[in-house]
Amino acid sequence: DGGITQSPKYLFRKEGQNVTLSCEQNLNHDAMYWYRQDPGQGLRLIYYSQIVNDFQKGDIAEGYSVSREKKESFPLTVTSAQKNPTAFYLCASRQGLAQSNEQFFGPGTRLTVL
Amino acid sequence: DAKTTQPPSMDCAEGRAANLPCNHSTISGNEYVYWYRQIHSQGPQYIIHGLKNNETNEMASLIITEDRKSSTLILPHATLRDTAVYYCIVRVAERNTGNQFYFGTGTSLTVIP
Repeated sequence: DGGITQSPKYLFRKEGQNVTLSCEQNLNHDAMYWYRQDPGQGLRLIYYSQIVNDFQKGDIAEGYSVSREKKESFPLTVTSAQKNPTAFYLCASRQGLAQSNEQFFGPGTRLTVL
Repeated sequence: DAKTTQPPSMDCAEGRAANLPCNHSTISGNEYVYWYRQIHSQGPQYIIHGLKNNETNEMASLIITEDRKSSTLILPHATLRDTAVYYCIVRVAERNTGNQFYFGTGTSLTVIP
């Protein structure tokens, strides 16, 4: 089946540890995105990538890092510099840059920092 | 960026039509209106999108006013599984933002048995 997968679904880490969230898509989409969602709030953009080996900061990139070595993969690392890392993280992808193209979302990873 | 305004919550009786309004008075001529929904703890699900004309698919209908300043998402026969947060989004098409979506807080729809 075609789609976006994120793993794991639930992740627990100790404060001060870096953690990497996986995002893979087999839709052959060019663009990929990482969002963060806090309780009762909408999605906020962390990073996005329009092509392989290129990525741009979103609205709340501080404390996060990404890589885009392959078209299918866009992992997000939550570093110890992120002050409030506990949140629900969503990865999305989109084909091309046309206005009319919708984004497809993964199931999300809920990160809890203890 | 064009912003959207939605009521924070709505109720709908099961089997009746759910009409979810959205205001986007600052929308520009080439921006699309998208609707997504998110069931608790899952990723957002695409529902429908449109530019000027009304649109219909197997999930819902989208009615956009002639001046494009507002729209309504219609779920014709709401079921309990339609209980979710519904997001109305206007697409930003700036080159340096990669055509990202801006999600607000949406409308929490509760379908009542």
